[in-house]
Amino acid sequence: EDQVTQSPEALRLQEGESSSLNCSYTVSGLRGLFWYRQDPGKGPEFLFTLYSAGEEKEKERLKATLTKKESFLHITAPKPEDSATYLCAVPSILTGGGNKLTFGTGTQLKVEL
Amino acid sequence: DGGITQSPKYLFRKEGQNVTLSCEQNLNHDAMYWYRQDPGQGLRLIYYSQIVNDFQKGDIAEGYSVSREKKESFPLTVTSAQKNPTAFYLCASSIGVAAYNEQFFGPGTRLTVL
Repeated sequence: EDQVTQSPEALRLQEGESSSLNCSYTVSGLRGLFWYRQDPGKGPEFLFTLYSAGEEKEKERLKATLTKKESFLHITAPKPEDSATYLCAVPSILTGGGNKLTFGTGTQLKVEL
Repeated sequence: DGGITQSPKYLFRKEGQNVTLSCEQNLNHDAMYWYRQDPGQGLRLIYYSQIVNDFQKGDIAEGYSVSREKKESFPLTVTSAQKNPTAFYLCASSIGVAAYNEQFFGPGTRLTVL
């Protein structure tokens, strides 16, 4: 069974203090990895798809990277509006056909002034 | 604007009641999904549908039912058989069912049992 573990569970940063979130996974065969952002009381918002090890994607202050065992979400010079829970997920094969997403429990990021 | 809508935003259920959560998408996506989110746990798949008039059970389907009569609609019924229904329910859709097809989520419905 595919598994996704995210660390840390919570992270508090000062504005401008760069850091990284970790997503490690155990899958039968890597077929991509997704990053989402979730604000309190809202649905997850899609950020990135990483297709294979070595790939990198960037969006504003966020940069996602992927290796054969884990993915990192690097946050450069964060601002308070980056505060959210960040979720990673891998596609898992369904017995009835198709794929579901297997999610980690997320990293709750708070950026303070 | 293309997107996924869910209603209601908040729903309260009494013991023994069935309630139905609405999910509509105008993205022209074939696949739709229902996930449940509980504090401290990852999202878990309840039901999914790859195409109209077809749906399959996910990991935690007991106590739930769905229908897919139209491409754009995938309602979820929480029956009285679901013993712990209080949770945040999320509907998602994707253009197809391949591993690399991103799933896009609606705003969610928070269900509380009174």
